[in-house]
Amino acid sequence: DGGITQSPKYLFRKEGQNVTLSCEQNLNHDAMYWYRQDPGQGLRLIYYSQIVNDFQKGDIAEGYSVSREKKESFPLTVTSAQKNPTAFYLCASSIGKGTLRTEAFFGQGTRLTVV
Amino acid sequence: AQSVTQLDSQVPVFEEAPVELRCNYSSSVSVYLFWYVQYPNQGLQLLLKYLSGSTLVKGINGFEAEFNKSQTSFHLRKPSVHISDTAEYFCAVSDSEKLTFGTGTRLTIIP
Repeated sequence: DGGITQSPKYLFRKEGQNVTLSCEQNLNHDAMYWYRQDPGQGLRLIYYSQIVNDFQKGDIAEGYSVSREKKESFPLTVTSAQKNPTAFYLCASSIGKGTLRTEAFFGQGTRLTVV
Repeated sequence: AQSVTQLDSQVPVFEEAPVELRCNYSSSVSVYLFWYVQYPNQGLQLLLKYLSGSTLVKGINGFEAEFNKSQTSFHLRKPSVHISDTAEYFCAVSDSEKLTFGTGTRLTIIP
């Protein structure tokens, strides 16, 4: 089945540690996105990528980093510089730039908790 | 810049009653509008989308939405809700570069 796979589903991190969230898609989509979800704040865009080896900052990129070395993969690293990393993280993909009028497909999310 | 406002953070509705979830948007370019549903601890699933054409859009699970350009609104409606509709609903706008979401409306169905 085609889709987006996020792993792990739950992740615990000690303060001061970096952690990487995985996102893989087999939909052959060019564009991929990372959103952060907090109660009452909706989804906020962290980073997005329209093509391999290129990505742009979203609205809340500070304390996060990404890479896009392969079309199907878009991992997100939450660094120690992120002051409040506990949240639900969602990865999404869509066909590509200029075609975002079609829908984005979402993974099942990763819940990150700092302990 | 584009933005979305969902006017109600929570909406309680009796089972089999109608419901309307409100969404207003702002954008300086042509817009594409979406409604997504999220069940607990899951990702988002597309309910319906407006790209162009008819302003009344029908989606899955009996939902529909009406695009109103003059009022910059895209309200979601269902004539008769079920317990299974309990979820959080997000309105979103796209400018062909990225999706911008509202803060969500939690729909609670009262038996």
